[in-house]
Amino acid sequence: ILNVEQSPQSLHVQEGDSTNFTCSFPSSNFYALHWYRWETAKSPEALFVMTLNGDEKKKGRISATLNTKEGYSYLYIKGSQPEDSATYLCALPVMINSGAGSYQLTFGKGTKLSVIP
Amino acid sequence: DAGITQSPRYKITETGRQVTLMCHQTWSHSYMFWYRQDLGHGLRLIYYSAAADITDKGEVPDGYVVSRSKTENFPLTLESATRSQTSVYFCASSRQGPNSPLHFGNGTRLTVT
Repeated sequence: ILNVEQSPQSLHVQEGDSTNFTCSFPSSNFYALHWYRWETAKSPEALFVMTLNGDEKKKGRISATLNTKEGYSYLYIKGSQPEDSATYLCALPVMINSGAGSYQLTFGKGTKLSVIP
Repeated sequence: DAGITQSPRYKITETGRQVTLMCHQTWSHSYMFWYRQDLGHGLRLIYYSAAADITDKGEVPDGYVVSRSKTENFPLTLESATRSQTSVYFCASSRQGPNSPLHFGNGTRLTVT
């Protein structure tokens, strides 16, 4: 089982504040890193899939960076809004049978963001 | 574009009963996954499938059985439900390999009494 750590576990910020959180993972056998946003009572939705060291992805006010050599990724939210309140998950694939393309996607426990109006 | 659908959305069953949760996707995605969501554990992988007729155990497979006779369907069966299997179950699919994002169904909330 791959150890995917996310910190902090939860975060409360004021509307308009910028914030960031971390996903840490073993740097060996890296294939990709996924970020998902999970609103309460809904299903997780993909934000980014990152594959290359130094990758930066952006979607509106949300961006992410990746450092595969040291085994971490940061997710940034600029000017947080109440609608950004959600749990943010990172996940990494573990190849089980590369010949058959079989893999597992292991999730961290997430960072729960609450944006206070 | 129906996407990925799970049924039922809610299910209450008794201990010892067999229950099947359905998952259907219309994209012809190769990969499908079953996760359960539990407080303090996040999403844990039960079973996954790389293609029709290819399935593998995930982190928490005990008490569950899956099949994948057709690409679009990936049912999850609880052979003899226990209270510890009370959870929200999510099915997901992805088009290609580990670089493709997962698309999740809406979840099935299962209560075992």
